[in-house]
Amino acid sequence: AQTVTQSQPEMSVQEAETVTLSCTYDTSESDYYLFWYKQPPSRQMILVIRQEAYKQQNATENRFSVNFQKAAKSFSLKISDSQLGDAAMYFCASRTLSGSARQLTFGSGTQLTVLP
Amino acid sequence: DTGVSQDPRHKITKRGQNVTFRCDPISEHNRLYWYRQTLGQGPEFLTYFQNEAQLEKSRLLSDRFSAERPKGSFSTLEIQRTEQGDSAMYLCASSLGTPVPLHFGNGTRLTVT
Repeated sequence: AQTVTQSQPEMSVQEAETVTLSCTYDTSESDYYLFWYKQPPSRQMILVIRQEAYKQQNATENRFSVNFQKAAKSFSLKISDSQLGDAAMYFCASRTLSGSARQLTFGSGTQLTVLP
Repeated sequence: DTGVSQDPRHKITKRGQNVTFRCDPISEHNRLYWYRQTLGQGPEFLTYFQNEAQLEKSRLLSDRFSAERPKGSFSTLEIQRTEQGDSAMYLCASSLGTPVPLHFGNGTRLTVT
């Protein structure tokens, strides 16, 4: 079974500053994917960034980057130059490819507030 | 690509009533997922279809819950004899395959009074 843990229920950041959201996971699978999803208030969940476990290089998407530490099973999200539109609930998620565990497993989320 | 569409957006029902939700995935997506999300929590997997076949069901999906995807296109999720604990956001997602990420709909918020 997979588990995903987000230990920061809430975070805040000043506009234009950098913030890092933490995530740890546990899986017995060797092949898996990790994701960060963003869920703005009353809006649909959208993918922010994804990381394939077999890749050592950390994924980057514009202002969003990850720090993937496979041995430590850690997958943090860094948001640079934070903008007001980044305010949302952020979910870390993992997804394996084998057996019956194809579904996405989410953490409990981190509510990010961006202060003007 | 019109996105994943869910209907209705909100549903208020009395305990004991039956409710049905609909999900229209992105047209070429063969995989469809249902998730449940309670306030302040991450989504929890309910069930998964590949085309019209329901391949996986979570233990969260009690006997009162049933999902169908009759022609491999849209899907319905029915809850019979609703209970207050069923109050949640029900999310539908679709994908073209693994490991393509899931595309989520806006969800159906169910309130059971």
